[in-house]
Amino acid sequence: KAGVTQTPRYLIKTRGQQVTLSCSPISGHRSVSWYQQTPGQGLQFLFEYFSETQRNKGNFPGRFSGRQFSNSRSEMNVSTLELGDSALYLCASSLEAVGSDTQYFGPGTRLTVL
Amino acid sequence: GENVEQHPSTLSVQEGDSAVIKCTYSDSASNYFPWYKQELGKGPQLIIDIRSNVGEKKDQRIAVTLNKTAKHFSLHITETQPEDSAVYFCAASKGGAQKLVFGQGTRLTINP
Repeated sequence: KAGVTQTPRYLIKTRGQQVTLSCSPISGHRSVSWYQQTPGQGLQFLFEYFSETQRNKGNFPGRFSGRQFSNSRSEMNVSTLELGDSALYLCASSLEAVGSDTQYFGPGTRLTVL
Repeated sequence: GENVEQHPSTLSVQEGDSAVIKCTYSDSASNYFPWYKQELGKGPQLIIDIRSNVGEKKDQRIAVTLNKTAKHFSLHITETQPEDSAVYFCAASKGGAQKLVFGQGTRLTINP
């Protein structure tokens, strides 16, 4: 099976712009979670989607949003970019079945805000 | 909310020796504890996980132990090899793995 894929892998934006990142989960996986990774704050949970509904949310401002499509693919959007949004954005998918809730991560999208 | 502390932040061991990384968690309701390995330019890769109904789990050279009373869990890597060099993260969650809280990571270096 193909792993979690994320596009694009690298992105450079300027302050004030908005950005959309895409994630395709492992085939058959229905839960998609997003994390932000920075040297200072480490790995932090953004939100999780299951069956097109946001089920869990972390402590990030409303500028960070996401959605999930009927095929389980997910996108996250960051509006009004700030310098501090520069980070590696990771997507993870899981099967969402009893005893099979392990999260598998994609390679990430490296976002640089100038 | 949950808080996970991970130590040490860096660890250097000789090839063939053992490495131990420790994590403590704050929320006694947490019941799932995975460990991830992250190599440069890649996403975290699950290497082993343990649930709160188990005290120890082993997979070849890797083992994880869990002490629910003390709220800490540890990763043990035996017979270390150069390819074990990476950053290792512990995590904790409750009610499934969808909202993982991660430790700050340990940079493990295996010296030949």
